[in-house]
Amino acid sequence: EDQVTQSPEALRLQEGESSSLNCSYTVSGLRGLFWYRQDPGKGPEFLFTLYSAGEEKEKERLKATLTKKESFLHITAPKPEDSATYLCAVQSSGSARQLTFGSGTQLTVLP
Amino acid sequence: GAVVSQHPSWVICKSGTSVKIECRSLDFQATTMFWYRQFPKQSLMLMATSNEGSKATYEQGVEKDKFLINHASLTLSTLTVTSAHPEDSSFYICSARETVLAGDTQYFGPGTRLTVL
Repeated sequence: EDQVTQSPEALRLQEGESSSLNCSYTVSGLRGLFWYRQDPGKGPEFLFTLYSAGEEKEKERLKATLTKKESFLHITAPKPEDSATYLCAVQSSGSARQLTFGSGTQLTVLP
Repeated sequence: GAVVSQHPSWVICKSGTSVKIECRSLDFQATTMFWYRQFPKQSLMLMATSNEGSKATYEQGVEKDKFLINHASLTLSTLTVTSAHPEDSSFYICSARETVLAGDTQYFGPGTRLTVL
């Protein structure tokens, strides 16, 4: 059974204070690891897909990296508008393309 | 690109009534759509996988007679909550799988808040 664990559950940062969110996973053959951002009362917004260990992707202040056991979402010099819940999900090669989600990290960036 | 819409965005109904939620992929075709449920402060829980032209596949513990799913076209899937009760109140979110350009990425709709009185 695929499992995804995200840490920390909640993170408060000052504006400009860089940090990283962790996503640890166990999966029977990784097809893809996905990062989403979710604002309160809205659906998840797609950020990145990572397919193999060593892969990195960047978008503005966000950078996602992947190893064989975990993924990190690095946030550089965050701004208050980066406040949201960040969700990690895995898709295994044996599944019907379903995603298994972690419980998310709630990020708050204070001005 | 890759926009998914849901309608309605919120609905309030009386106990015992049925509610239909629509999920549309606006700028791509999706042979597979997914329906999720999300409780406050919790992550997404997959309810069912909807395949165009065939029966939906339900996750364990989800009543298929209560949550009717129809995927009649490559851009539309519907979820009908039949004989809704207060415990069905939740945030329902759909996603559509884009396979041509985005490498099998699921794009999510904005969600539907259902409140059953």
